[in-house]
Amino acid sequence: ENVLTQSPGTLSLSPGERATLSCRASQSVVGNYLAWYQQKPGQAPRILIYGASDRATGIPDRFSASGSGTDFTLTINRLEPEDFAVYHCQQYGSAPWTFGQGTKVEIK
Amino acid sequence: QVQLQESGPGLVKPSETLSLTCTVSGGSISQYYWSWIRQPPGAGLEWIGYIYNRGRANKYNPSLESRVTISLDMSKSQISLEFNSVTAADTAVYYCARSNSWINWFDPWGRGTLVIVSS
Repeated sequence: ENVLTQSPGTLSLSPGERATLSCRASQSVVGNYLAWYQQKPGQAPRILIYGASDRATGIPDRFSASGSGTDFTLTINRLEPEDFAVYHCQQYGSAPWTFGQGTKVEIK
Repeated sequence: QVQLQESGPGLVKPSETLSLTCTVSGGSISQYYWSWIRQPPGAGLEWIGYIYNRGRANKYNPSLESRVTISLDMSKSQISLEFNSVTAADTAVYYCARSNSWINWFDPWGRGTLVIVSS
């Protein structure tokens, strides 16, 4: 299976700063079929990005993503208070679909 | 707007079978892929498997396949998960989620239900 490793585990930032999250795959992600989700405590994950770089409906443009092959990045520009959460990457190019272990973006 | 709601017992004894139901409202259950995903406390997400179209297509995570059955009741708009021979390692929040195709992201998700495996 394609193992996804996210880094860092925790990112401590202040509102207004930029967050850069990494997701590295053990094998090339087929079709660059990679998604990013945001999860807040007690809530289900919410889709942010699909196809490595396409924002889902209703997602603010301060969220952007890029990457291909085995290295992918999620960038959050000008962190808002509601952006402090856990972010998961997921590949859906080859079964079994797999997730990274998550990156927590916390308020510094 | 489609909504998903998981339900089932919050406590299951070791070696028994965990049974959960996901009820879909506000949208059709047909022509979509329905997955179960779990998240152990403090750990990452793990895809369990999916079902499509009256069970004509199932796919399971090979690491769990021997213990899992996912089924679909079109008349009730429900997706069911059965997980047998559970251990403490199966303690997790269990989510159901929808995909538009078999190569697709998950959206939306249910709110999840916590299942604790303990005697």
